[in-house]
Amino acid sequence: QVQLVQSGPEVKKSGGSVKVSCKTSGYTFISYTITWVRQAPGQGLEWMGLISPTNNNTNYAQHLQGRVIMTTDTSTSTAYMELRSLRIDDTAVYYCVRGGTNWLDPWGQGTLVTVSS
Amino acid sequence: QSLLTQPPSASGTPGQRLTISCSGSRSNIGMNIVSWYQQFPGTAPELLIYLNNQRPSGVPDRFSASKSGTSASLAISGLQSEDEADYYCAVWDDTLNVVLFGGGTKVTVL
Repeated sequence: QVQLVQSGPEVKKSGGSVKVSCKTSGYTFISYTITWVRQAPGQGLEWMGLISPTNNNTNYAQHLQGRVIMTTDTSTSTAYMELRSLRIDDTAVYYCVRGGTNWLDPWGQGTLVTVSS
Repeated sequence: QSLLTQPPSASGTPGQRLTISCSGSRSNIGMNIVSWYQQFPGTAPELLIYLNNQRPSGVPDRFSASKSGTSASLAISGLQSEDEADYYCAVWDDTLNVVLFGGGTKVTVL
């Protein structure tokens, strides 16, 4: 079955960076866009951006431009999301999801990133 | 504040029919495909509806959805206690070039 398995929880200092991985299986990796979504504690879902593994074309949320980098490794069917210049309000659960502009399915289990001062 | 407006909460008794609205604009719901997600506390969201009104395999037919103009809605008929969850609508926006999520609706079964 299709699975997206994310890396474990992270605790980072503000100003630092974090890189979350998302290993996929059960489908042809390059055939589907990967989207990243985050959810701050007690809040709703926030779209961060997407990447096409075919050509590594990306589309980032404007407010994250310059701080977020999404990449893929087709040899391991893994997607990565790096967020730099971390702030306290970047504390959230980060999800990778298969899919792009139409629907998102399935979702990874989520990675909690905690940013402290 | 999300550009897709959902009521923050909705409640009903077992067996009741509950409807959740998702209001947008021409550049998003008016032009593109709406999807809905169900999220239980502490777990990742799951796809509930795709292509405006299609249910993935495994989703009970108690769940249905529709879209008209710049609004969409999710209906739960025969409400059950296991339906207590947060529900989100989502759609691509042609002007902003982003996926928009509604603010989410917390469903409570009384």
